[in-house]
Amino acid sequence: GNSVTQMEGPVTLSEEAFLTINCTYTATGYPSLFWYVQYPGEGLQLLLKATKADDKGSNKGFEATYRKETTSFHLEKGSVQVSDSAVYFCALISNQAGTALIFGKGTTLSVSS
Amino acid sequence: GAGVSQSPSNKVTEKGKDVELRCDPISGHTALYWYRQSLGQGLEFLIYFQGNSAPDKSGLPSDRFSAERTGGSVSTLTIQRTQQEDSAVYLCASSLGRGGWEQYFGPGTRLTVT
Repeated sequence: GNSVTQMEGPVTLSEEAFLTINCTYTATGYPSLFWYVQYPGEGLQLLLKATKADDKGSNKGFEATYRKETTSFHLEKGSVQVSDSAVYFCALISNQAGTALIFGKGTTLSVSS
Repeated sequence: GAGVSQSPSNKVTEKGKDVELRCDPISGHTALYWYRQSLGQGLEFLIYFQGNSAPDKSGLPSDRFSAERTGGSVSTLTIQRTQQEDSAVYLCASSLGRGGWEQYFGPGTRLTVT
């Protein structure tokens, strides 16, 4: 079945460090891929998305590239800030099979100054 | 404009009681989803409504769970005879349509079953 696997957290970084959160997926067909973020005490927000192979999603300095050959959608940011501390979820929708988002288990990022 | 709203924000109930959770989607969004977020299971899909089509109930964990959507807008998730394992944050989301459309999430209802 369809699934998303993302790296276990927590990830602890100093301000201005480089961030990578790995995400790989298993899906039939050609899924759309998403990163959602949940800041402390807030709801889930879409961070970025990509709907086809080689697309790059970007927002707020974060980027992720849809890699069909490696079934990956890794999240990166060149210089993290304390305000980036949150839980990050990788997710997919399989355009063939379904309608609901399938989420990874989430990665907690903690950035210290 | 207004986002997805959910009520109540917190609900504490005794085991065996029924609860109703409400979701008001973004106006004009035809698709509405319910998810559950718990420590052990992460984020799980529960049920999906699209327009006037029959809902996709494939994610409901048991027949104690049901949901309806009235007039293509407001939705209510009902849990009968609550159990402690039902304790979780219940999230509602809406979107313009199915598939790759962005889903906008509400703040959630935190349910605690004692």
